[in-house]
Amino acid sequence: EADIYQTPRYLVIGTGKKITLECSQTMGHDKMYWYQQDPGMELHLIHYSYGVNSTEKGDLSSESTVSRIRTEHFPLTLESARPSHTSQYLCASSLGGGLSGNTIYFGEGSWLTVV
Amino acid sequence: DAKTTQPPSMDCAEGRAANLPCNHSTISGNEYVYWYRQIHSQGPQYIIHGLKNNETNEMASLIITEDRKSSTLILPHATLRDTAVYYCIAHAGNNRKLIWGLGTSLAVNP
Repeated sequence: EADIYQTPRYLVIGTGKKITLECSQTMGHDKMYWYQQDPGMELHLIHYSYGVNSTEKGDLSSESTVSRIRTEHFPLTLESARPSHTSQYLCASSLGGGLSGNTIYFGEGSWLTVV
Repeated sequence: DAKTTQPPSMDCAEGRAANLPCNHSTISGNEYVYWYRQIHSQGPQYIIHGLKNNETNEMASLIITEDRKSSTLILPHATLRDTAVYYCIAHAGNNRKLIWGLGTSLAVNP
């Protein structure tokens, strides 16, 4: 069982609202990730963190921002949501370093609908 | 990371073995083969990984060919709860560069 948690699971909000998707892990993992996935489509990396105070953009351009102030917490924020942001957002983490550290553990995902 | 090729969909009868193939003909010597699965509306779940030798755990077995150009994930006694999308990924350790693809959608039928 992976100890990584996302809230909310489902969210419907109006255009222009600010939202924050929360992600926490209790495994002490250094590396954390945010993926975006539309139904039936591939997972795309949108943000990545090597550790505290380290964040990078992923391969898929995203208007969201992230922060990593504590090891266990990696929230994602949309300052002004638009219908094009409607998607599933998946948070993940890995230990990093060595073979066993490459296994990625995912949260259950946050389904965002912007109306 | 090496590109992998999987069939888009497969069917399996409940209780039978499900054999999911994956081609990774350009895999390099330091790349491992990982398998994950994603049940509808949930995050992907790690299943198993290997380098050269066959591997087995409580969920599945992984058979890698001697030339490492292909592998097969085996679910020995598939249940309805094994219905999911299965991803085969080859990579050398930089998770930032993973290519997930569309995987194989496995339907286990009663």
